[in-house]
Amino acid sequence: QSVLTQPPSVSAAPGQKVTISCSGSSSNIGNNYVSWYQQLPGTAPKLLIYDNNKRPSGIPDRFSGSKSGTSATLGITGLQTGDEADYYCGTWDSSLSAPVVFGGGTKLTVL
Amino acid sequence: QLQLQESGSGLVKPSQTLSLTCAVSGGSISSGGYSWSWIRQPPGKGLEWIGYIYHSGSTYYNPSLKSRVTISVDRSKNQFSLKLSSVTAADTAVYYCARAPPRPRVPYFDYWGQGTLVTVSS
Repeated sequence: QSVLTQPPSVSAAPGQKVTISCSGSSSNIGNNYVSWYQQLPGTAPKLLIYDNNKRPSGIPDRFSGSKSGTSATLGITGLQTGDEADYYCGTWDSSLSAPVVFGGGTKLTVL
Repeated sequence: QLQLQESGSGLVKPSQTLSLTCAVSGGSISSGGYSWSWIRQPPGKGLEWIGYIYHSGSTYYNPSLKSRVTISVDRSKNQFSLKLSSVTAADTAVYYCARAPPRPRVPYFDYWGQGTLVTVSS
């Protein structure tokens, strides 16, 4: 059971937009920055978003992040078949659990 | 371009110690004040943070693994290491090393190794 809750799967057609949610609490998302990762099949996770909404160099602006209260959202526009992957959110947690926590992951299918 | 590469035993017997090393190339492990971390992923499951070694050399571990984990750094070889003792089948996972920014309480990981599968089996 992950500290951060993500939907197990989402799907959308090529060219469409999709959002992936990440729900937490005041001990994690509510008071800390959120990051997002893309994990293509058989590869290591790749940083997509940090500090809630910043993109590292080389990440296209089709990917965006936002945060409101104790939830965060990853948005992907102009979906491509190459976007099929697992997506994870992560943040700091100041409770008695592990200080670095991830969501359970969301499998994106581009139909 | 910074690169991280994990190495170590891919098969460990139950109750023994898992040992992995992460070699850093394309930059010095001692510069920039970065922290270095280990993260694992059991087959078909999500990510689990194992621990950090900070620029200062101090460490911070996942409480659920703390009694069994040691992370150390060898600055002369530009690498850091993970030891996990008393392993069981539940420790079977792909183990990743990763870099985190020098910002307290801001755990994002911008560079990752390719990962190495460690199987615990007799």
